[in-house]
Amino acid sequence: EDQVTQSPEALRLQEGESSSLNCSYTVSGLRGLFWYRQDPGKGPEFLFTLYSAGEEKEKERLKATLTKKESFLHITAPKPEDSATYLCAVGSGGSYIPTFGRGTSLIVHP
Amino acid sequence: GAVVSQHPSRVICKSGTSVKIECRSLDFQATTMFWYRQFPKQSLMLMATSNEGSKATYEQGVEKDKFLINHASLTLSTLTVTSAHPEDSSFYICSARALDSIGTDTQYFGPGTRLTVL
Repeated sequence: EDQVTQSPEALRLQEGESSSLNCSYTVSGLRGLFWYRQDPGKGPEFLFTLYSAGEEKEKERLKATLTKKESFLHITAPKPEDSATYLCAVGSGGSYIPTFGRGTSLIVHP
Repeated sequence: GAVVSQHPSRVICKSGTSVKIECRSLDFQATTMFWYRQFPKQSLMLMATSNEGSKATYEQGVEKDKFLINHASLTLSTLTVTSAHPEDSSFYICSARALDSIGTDTQYFGPGTRLTVL
């Protein structure tokens, strides 16, 4: 059974204070690891898909990396508008239904 | 990018009434759509998988007679909450499955529907 664990559950940063969110996973045959951003009262917004260990993707202040056991979402010099819950999900070879983690709630203070 | 819409965005209804939520893929065809439920500060809970032209597959513990799902076309799936009760109040989110440029499944989510049952 695929498992996804995200840490920390909650993270408070000062504006400009860079940090990383972690997504640890166990999966049989990784097809893709997905990162989403979810604002309160909204549906998740797709950010990245990573397919293999060593891959990196960037979007503005966000950079996602992938190893065989975990993925990191690095946030460089965050701004208050980066405050959201960040969800990680994995898709495995056995199913096209991804398994979601519980998310990391990020608050960036001005 | 792939866009998914949901309607209505929020609905308030009386106990015992039925509520229909629509999910549409706007710029792509989705053979598979998913329905999720999310409680405050909780992650997504998959309710059912909806395949165009066939019966939905429900997750364990989800009542199929309570949550009716219809996927009549490649761009539309509907979720009907029948005889709604206050405990059905929640945030319902749909997603649609699309293939990216290298053929990997990606889910694109709708904006969600806030259901409040009085």
